Order: sequence, then structure tokens, then C-alpha cells
Amino acid sequence: DQQVKQNSPSLSVQEGRISILNCDYTNSMFDYFLWYKKYPAEGPTFLISISSIKDKNEDGRFTVFLNKSAKHLSLHIVPSQPGDSAVYFCAASVNSGNTPLVFGKGTRLSVIA
Amino acid sequence: GAVVSQHPSRVICKSGTSVKIECRSLDFQATTMFWYRQFPKQSLMLMATSNEGSKATYEQGVEKDKFLINHASLTLSTLTVTSAHPEDSSFYICSATKPGLASEQYFGPGTRLTVT
Repeated sequence: DQQVKQNSPSLSVQEGRISILNCDYTNSMFDYFLWYKKYPAEGPTFLISISSIKDKNEDGRFTVFLNKSAKHLSLHIVPSQPGDSAVYFCAASVNSGNTPLVFGKGTRLSVIA
Repeated sequence: GAVVSQHPSRVICKSGTSVKIECRSLDFQATTMFWYRQFPKQSLMLMATSNEGSKATYEQGVEKDKFLINHASLTLSTLTVTSAHPEDSSFYICSATKPGLASEQYFGPGTRLTVT
């Protein structure tokens, strides 16, 4: 049973527009959420995170929104750039110790120039 | 910074042989390292959690006798794929956490294993 779901396997966005990547989770024990960006044949790189005590975290062009009641989070990238083209993974954890991350299947974002 | 390296980045081996993959935290001591496997178009699947000086904890469905993990020091963990088969061909990624910051995982660049 997938605890973290990214239902859109791919997304295409025009350069300069907003990219919105969605993620849903089922485990109510998750209290820390992260987004990772991954290029082919490379390890994931950390992008942005949010604790469950917040509903929004912003870092430059990247904003993550968390809706705890809906068990939903989203990553907004604005404006989107061609270099943002990659696979984006949503991950969740219980921040109570050395707990591993649970990843979604990823969404491939293509930003078209 | 928090840099994690993996070696080798790419390896091709024959069926039946064993392959060792190293994961090193270069500028910090990692209390815990994780090993993930990624199949094409799929998520990162956690294989095992490795704590320095103790036995690794394997996820359900992962054969501990096939995927040997040794976390010999605070900066090095190794994954050995024993008696490799073509179905073991995959992208293997490790990550490491700093003490007290369990959710801040730093990933290695990954190792592409191809078993012929």
C-alpha cells in the first residue's frame, strides 16, 4: 500500500508559467515532508521541506503548501525554467528519530521553452 | 556542506558474481545510512537502514543474505550484491543523515549496476 502518492507521472509547463506538483499521503503519523529533484543517473537533491506545524514554506521560486486535513501537499515553482525539468519526488517521514523517508513515485516535469 | 559519495558510479558484472558498492559521507559523520533501489519509472524503494556498528534493518521482501550491508564506520557503509542476477540490475542510491537531523537525508549520486 502506497503511503505517499504522486498521481501525475508527468507534467509539461511552458517556461515562465507556474508548475504545480501534487502529493497525497495516507499515514497521519507523517509530520515532516520533503521535495527532492532528481536528474537521470544522479541521486536526488533536496529542494524544500515543511513541518506539519506549518502550512506553507517558501524558498525563492519554490513554495510548498501543506493541507493536513486533506493529507495533501503541493510544490509550486514560479516562474518555471527549462533547468527545472527533472523528476520530482515527494517524501514524508515521522521526525521522531532515524526514520527513513517514504517516497512517492515521482512526477516528471518538463518545462518547455 | 553535506556530501555523500558512492563508488563505483557504474558497474557491469557477470551473473553469479558479487559486487560491492561503497557509500561515504565526506564531510560529516553519519549515524545512519540508508540504501535505496530505483527501478525505471518507479519510486525510490528503501532496502535497508544501516546504523554504525550494528546490523542493518532490512525492509520486508529484501533478502539480507543477498544484499549484505556493512556500516563499519561513521563515514562508510557498503552494500554487497551477492550472486548477482540480471534482475538485480538497477540504480542503487545511498543516503546519510547527520546526528539529530534524521529527516535531513543527503543522497549519494547513485550506482548503476548492470548484470549480464
